[in-house]
Amino acid sequence: KNEVEQSPQNLTAQEGEFITINCSYSVGISALHWLQQHPGGGIVSLFMLSSGKKKHGRLIATINIQEKHSSLHITASHPRDSAVYICAVREGGSRLTFGEGTQLTVNP
Amino acid sequence: DAGVIQSPRHEVTEMGQEVTLRCKPISGHNSLFWYRQTMMRGLELLIYFNNNVPIDDSGMPEDRFSAKMPNASFSTLKIQPSEPRDSAVYFCASSFAFSYNEQFFGPGTRLTVL
Repeated sequence: KNEVEQSPQNLTAQEGEFITINCSYSVGISALHWLQQHPGGGIVSLFMLSSGKKKHGRLIATINIQEKHSSLHITASHPRDSAVYICAVREGGSRLTFGEGTQLTVNP
Repeated sequence: DAGVIQSPRHEVTEMGQEVTLRCKPISGHNSLFWYRQTMMRGLELLIYFNNNVPIDDSGMPEDRFSAKMPNASFSTLKIQPSEPRDSAVYFCASSFAFSYNEQFFGPGTRLTVL
């Protein structure tokens, strides 16, 4: 079974700061997902990537397949970015294995 | 599109009662997933369907849990009999095609078993 580890577990930042959340996994994968869980509990898929880098607005996700590592970056952070960010990996088929999540709090 | 629809949003029941959670996937999606989220274990896949057929149910905790997908637009997750340790948020998600596509999550059902 793939072991998915995220760091940090908790992160507090000031508005405007650049934020990085890391995800490492132990076994080769076919794709990696970054999810955002809002304080109200809803889950939104942010990115799905299998190589390189993707950008959407202030969010950037990168993956290094050789190093089994991915990062999620948030530029110019805002209090509305406060949420739990979850990394999930897919080894094959559709089964996802989830990390424990990173609780991000952005203070005004 | 309304997105993935789950009902009920909240369910409080007593131990031993039967609980049925419902999910309507996004129209056109042919894969459906049931997840459970707890503080202790985080998000876990319970079962997923492709074209209404269960593909992997290895995450279903025990025989008290069962899931069905009678057609492409409806799925149920049933717990009978329910126990306090089943208290969790249950998410349904759907995607198009079997793999390599993002999953769209429903709002979840918060289940409390007293």
